[in-house]
Amino acid sequence: QQQVKQSPQSLIVQKGGISIINCAYENTAFDYFPWYQQFPGKGPALLIAIRPDVSEKKEGRFTISFNKSAKQFSLHIMDSQPGDSATYFCAASKGSGGYQKVTFGTGTKLQVIP
Amino acid sequence: GAVVSQHPSWVICKSGTSVKIECRSLDFQATTMFWYRQFPKQSLMLMATSNEGSKATYEQGVEKDKFLINHASLTLSTLTVTSAHPEDSSFYICSAAGAGGVYEQYFGPGTRLTVT
Repeated sequence: QQQVKQSPQSLIVQKGGISIINCAYENTAFDYFPWYQQFPGKGPALLIAIRPDVSEKKEGRFTISFNKSAKQFSLHIMDSQPGDSATYFCAASKGSGGYQKVTFGTGTKLQVIP
Repeated sequence: GAVVSQHPSWVICKSGTSVKIECRSLDFQATTMFWYRQFPKQSLMLMATSNEGSKATYEQGVEKDKFLINHASLTLSTLTVTSAHPEDSSFYICSAAGAGGVYEQYFGPGTRLTVT
């Protein structure tokens, strides 16, 4: 059973535009929602993460919006650049009981065109 | 800080042989390490969770005898693919937890395994 649904599967954005990726989760026990960026042939790197006690978190050009009641969260990349072209994964985990496994979304391949 | 390395970065082996992949936390002690598998253009699928000094916990559908995991120290975990077959060809990624809060995991660069 897929626990984190992610859309769109692929996204093309013009340089300077806003990239938006959406995710939805099912397990209300999740209490940590990270986003990872992965370049081809590399491991994923943590981009930004949010806890459910806040509705928004911003770090530079990257913003997470979180809607606890709808069990949805999204990543906004402002002023998208060609260097942002990568695959983005949303994820969810729960911190209770020690280090817990991360459940990944299906991924969104972002292409930023000049 | 919080750097995780994997070795080798890529490996080609013949069908029927075994191959070992190392995952090391370079600047922190990793209480827990995770092993993931990723097929082309797909997401990461957790294979197993290992805690230092304990037996690994495998996800449903992952063959314990085929994918041997050893977490002998706080900085090293190994994944051995035994009797490898072409269908085992994949990108294997480890992550390590222990550098920061309970939520923070740091991923290695991955190992590309090709079985011929």
